[in-house]
Amino acid sequence: NAGVMQNPRHLVRRRGQEARLRCSPMKGHSHVYWYRQLPEEGLKFMVYLQKENIIDESGMPKERFSAEFPKEGPSILRIQQVVRGDSAAYFCASSPPSGVATGGYTFGSGTRLTVV
Amino acid sequence: EDQVTQSPEALRLQEGESSSLNCSYTVSGLRGLFWYRQDPGKGPEFLFTLYSAGEEKEKERLKATLTKKESFLHITAPKPEDSATYLCAVPPYSSASKIIFGSGTRLSIRP
Repeated sequence: NAGVMQNPRHLVRRRGQEARLRCSPMKGHSHVYWYRQLPEEGLKFMVYLQKENIIDESGMPKERFSAEFPKEGPSILRIQQVVRGDSAAYFCASSPPSGVATGGYTFGSGTRLTVV
Repeated sequence: EDQVTQSPEALRLQEGESSSLNCSYTVSGLRGLFWYRQDPGKGPEFLFTLYSAGEEKEKERLKATLTKKESFLHITAPKPEDSATYLCAVPPYSSASKIIFGSGTRLSIRP
């Protein structure tokens, strides 16, 4: 029973390039959440998605960042024209519909993005 | 503004030396308080959910308690494998889709 799968584990991009982060939720989970963890800071909510729907993107920067969760395939977090300040660990979590109420997110191991 | 504050930022203990971690929260209408454990290079791992003041949950050497303003994670006779960052989180009243995390307490247990 695989957990939440994120890839790649590590991603290095030059300033101005695009970064694509992938997340396959746990089997049976239909809700996906993306969080960002900056060095020495806590986890910050970015976006919450269900299949083919963005439910809450209140934590997403207004520009360069987008997310999707298509009917088939993994959820994608896309960062265009990356800057050094985007360097962080990006975590995906999934849950059944009751996830927020119970706190029972299952997190992936994260993608560590380094912008050089 | 909904907020979660954890203290101390870091804690170093000798193996077997019991202690407590603190999580203070300000949120309108608490709908749950969550504890997670995060190991270096990994994602957070869910530990407990507490819903109401006076509630307690236990798992091995860990016990979480909740009051109206704060939660404690008590660690009894810790072992080196308990070394990790412990995160506290709450869902804001205004949102049904996210949780707010504290900055965590880095716990280090020396053998």
